[in-house]
Amino acid sequence: GQNIDQPTEMTATEGAIVQINCTYQTSGFNGLFWYQQHAGEAPTFLSYNVLDGLEEKGRFSSFLSRSKGYSYLLLKELQMKDSASYLCAVWDSNYQLIWGAGTKLIIKP
Amino acid sequence: GAVVSQHPSWVICKSGTSVKIECRSLDFQATTMFWYRQFPKQSLMLMATSNEGSKATYEQGVEKDKFLINHASLTLSTLTVTSAHPEDSSFYICSASGLAGENGPSADTQYFGPGTRLTVL
Repeated sequence: GQNIDQPTEMTATEGAIVQINCTYQTSGFNGLFWYQQHAGEAPTFLSYNVLDGLEEKGRFSSFLSRSKGYSYLLLKELQMKDSASYLCAVWDSNYQLIWGAGTKLIIKP
Repeated sequence: GAVVSQHPSWVICKSGTSVKIECRSLDFQATTMFWYRQFPKQSLMLMATSNEGSKATYEQGVEKDKFLINHASLTLSTLTVTSAHPEDSSFYICSASGLAGENGPSADTQYFGPGTRLTVL
């Protein structure tokens, strides 16, 4: 079967760095997405990785290793507004989205 | 638990025809279902929110007569794209949030379907 694993919940301190991991097992791979979702709102696109390596976008970076079926989202200089759920999703060989259950990130002052 | 399916996964149709996409919650009762549209590698755009047994709430700019949404039961919502045109070609994704309960999903969590790729020729 296809599945994506990510931690259910993480807690971090304002101003710190946090890394949210995502491992996947899918039928083929056509890219991996990270979305941020605040409660009651639609998911916001953060990143799309299809090649190995690290992509940096301001305070957020996303890393992909296709051989390991592994990605992480790195958030630096955490702010209270970063408290949200972070969703990892993979496009399989048929461009079907396989979703992780999301990681709820709690930021404490 | 908390599995959401969509059917069909891929559809190609001629311009002017109507296409129906189904979204089902397989192992929980979905009180609310959401329909999104995703353009390649871009954000999910919320189209509408539907609650079981009531009319859907459409986001600004989404034509309710073109994108018909029916949420007739706690496990099924349908999106019908009427008189489809090539510009409607996109990836449509549904999500569902369910009834809170000891063995059920969290009521404030959305569970996403795998998406339906629509190509209008």
